[in-house]
Amino acid sequence: AAGVIQSPRHLIKEKRETATLKCYPIPRHDTVYWYQQGPGQDPQFLISFYEKMQSDKGSIPDRFSAQQFSDYHSELNMSSLELGDSALYFCASSLGGAGFLEQFFGPGTRLTVL
Amino acid sequence: SQQGEEDPQALSIQEGENATMNCSYKTSINNLQWYRQNSGRGLVHLILIRSNEREKHSGRLRVTLDTSKKSSSLLITASRAADTASYFCATDHTNYGGSQGNLIFGKGTKLSVKP
Repeated sequence: AAGVIQSPRHLIKEKRETATLKCYPIPRHDTVYWYQQGPGQDPQFLISFYEKMQSDKGSIPDRFSAQQFSDYHSELNMSSLELGDSALYFCASSLGGAGFLEQFFGPGTRLTVL
Repeated sequence: SQQGEEDPQALSIQEGENATMNCSYKTSINNLQWYRQNSGRGLVHLILIRSNEREKHSGRLRVTLDTSKKSSSLLITASRAADTASYFCATDHTNYGGSQGNLIFGKGTKLSVKP
């Protein structure tokens, strides 16, 4: 079965640069969630989209923005990167924006900021 | 504050033994999910238990939920070396009687199964 696809899988950037992470949800899933997992930490919710509209916002810095496109894929844009942004970034998708359902996670993008 | 807290933080057992991990949470939930994560890899969904369920089974996994104590446990029976991973519980965030669906994760239990 098709899973959540994330690209790139690894990304190395310098401080103050920008990065764009992409997420392709499972076909027919209309909800996308972004999470950040620092080294040795638990995943922290950043932002979510349901039917191309932002549905909830967590601990996402103002330097980050995201959107969901008409084909339901989502992009997380990160600007003015800081060393502390180095983390695993996960995208998850589910069907329906009202919770109650399993979230399926992608393999993650490992971002390293030098 | 953290929604889910897990204990133990680390657990080391021999192959064939059972492993029990516990998770506690603070506010009302609609469901609780358990995930496995191999070192530095993606999160694999294991099982979801709804707030009106008390126990659920999936293969060698058994999950219980006690909403009165705001706690859940994950039991892995007859463990294998391949079960070595971190295990996280995650609760959906109930907002104004509904759910936005975003998950709040516990700190995780690092399970090591020795052959």
